[in-house]
Amino acid sequence: QSVLTQPPSVSAAPGQKVTISCSGSSSNIGNNYVSWYQQLPGTAPKLLIYDNNKRPSGIPDRFSGSKSGTSATLGITGLQTGDEADYYCGTWDSSLSAEVFGGGTKLTVL
Amino acid sequence: EVQLVESGGGLVKPGGSLRLSCAASGFTFSSYSMNWVRQAPGKGLEWVSSISSSSSYIYYADSVKGRFTISRDNAKNSLYLQMNSLRAEDTAVYYCAREFSYWGQGTLVTVSS
Repeated sequence: QSVLTQPPSVSAAPGQKVTISCSGSSSNIGNNYVSWYQQLPGTAPKLLIYDNNKRPSGIPDRFSGSKSGTSATLGITGLQTGDEADYYCGTWDSSLSAEVFGGGTKLTVL
Repeated sequence: EVQLVESGGGLVKPGGSLRLSCAASGFTFSSYSMNWVRQAPGKGLEWVSSISSSSSYIYYADSVKGRFTISRDNAKNSLYLQMNSLRAEDTAVYYCAREFSYWGQGTLVTVSS
């Protein structure tokens, strides 16, 4: 059971938009920055979003992040088949003194 | 270019030990905190341990506390994870990560008799 809760799967058609939610508590998302990671099949995770809504260099602006209270959301617009991957949210949990991740969401681009 | 290369994985019997290494290049290693994150086959990401740039602050997941030891050698640009009393549930790909911004390709640890 993950500390952060994500939907197991989401799907949408190419060109459409999808959002992935990440729910936590005041000890983690509520008081710390959230990051999002993309893990393509058979590869290592890659940072997509940090500090709730910032994109590292090279990440297209089709990817966006937001946070409200104890929840965070990853948005992906203009979906491409190459976006099919597992997506994870992560943040520091001040009560646990531990980095925590969501269980992951599998994105299918139909 | 930031590069993180893990090594040291393999097959080990329950109760055994293994030492993972992560060789860093392309950045000033001594300026960044480092992490180990693992992923069991078909499962999600699980944070294992973190160490600050000067080794002043070290944190462990409850699942490995008392069995695993993280360390670093800034002179050698290297991160380590000493894993003792290994269990079947420790079977996973182990990734090293620079502040979660950059990740290595991972090394597989299999604990089985």
